[in-house]
Amino acid sequence: DAKTTQPNSMESNEEEPVHLPCNHSTISGTDYIHWYRQLPSQGPEYVIHGLTSNVNNRMASLAIAEDRKSSTLILHRATLRDAAVYYCILRDFTGTASKLTFGTGTRLQVTL
Amino acid sequence: EAGVAQSPRYKIIEKRQSVAFWCNPISGHATLYWYQQILGQGPKLLIQFQNNGVVDDSQLPKDRFSAERLKGVDSTLKIQPAKLEDSAVYLCASSLDDPNEKLFFGSGTQLSVL
Repeated sequence: DAKTTQPNSMESNEEEPVHLPCNHSTISGTDYIHWYRQLPSQGPEYVIHGLTSNVNNRMASLAIAEDRKSSTLILHRATLRDAAVYYCILRDFTGTASKLTFGTGTRLQVTL
Repeated sequence: EAGVAQSPRYKIIEKRQSVAFWCNPISGHATLYWYQQILGQGPKLLIQFQNNGVVDDSQLPKDRFSAERLKGVDSTLKIQPAKLEDSAVYLCASSLDDPNEKLFFGSGTQLSVL
């Protein structure tokens, strides 16, 4: 599986935008970029995913570099409930055994 | 929509004992996953089912771990005998039968092996 690199931790103030970076220099043409987050004492939850174009949903935005070797998850206004570990994952969309391989993620702290 | 159900929520056992975890996926989800998450690490895939067939069990320690998914719905994961290093949260997830569908996770079973 192609690997991703994320900072171990980041901090943000509440109500401020947060940009969570992810590097994936060995991404292949069939890899989608997925983001999941894990709140304390819960299982991971899906945030967003994309292939080439920037994506928006009610939770976040995903900005993908033109060469696809990096991406950024954008939380437009962080709240205390966004404090979690954020995982950037590459997922090959071909074949029937597409699995999600988690790294160690970025721990986001949100303060008042 | 009901989520992925797991039980028990917590389990404490002594080493060399056996333990079983149960998972009920979201209705209609053909693919089911079991992950192991050791404290401070990301989840690690143990086994992936598509309906009642195993798609990937390459990281399942088969000498002590076993899993089944009878009738392509519920699943159980068993450890026999347990070791201290098996202390972790065991997460079950399910998804629709498409390689790019999002996974829905349960809250997990926290296992402590003493």
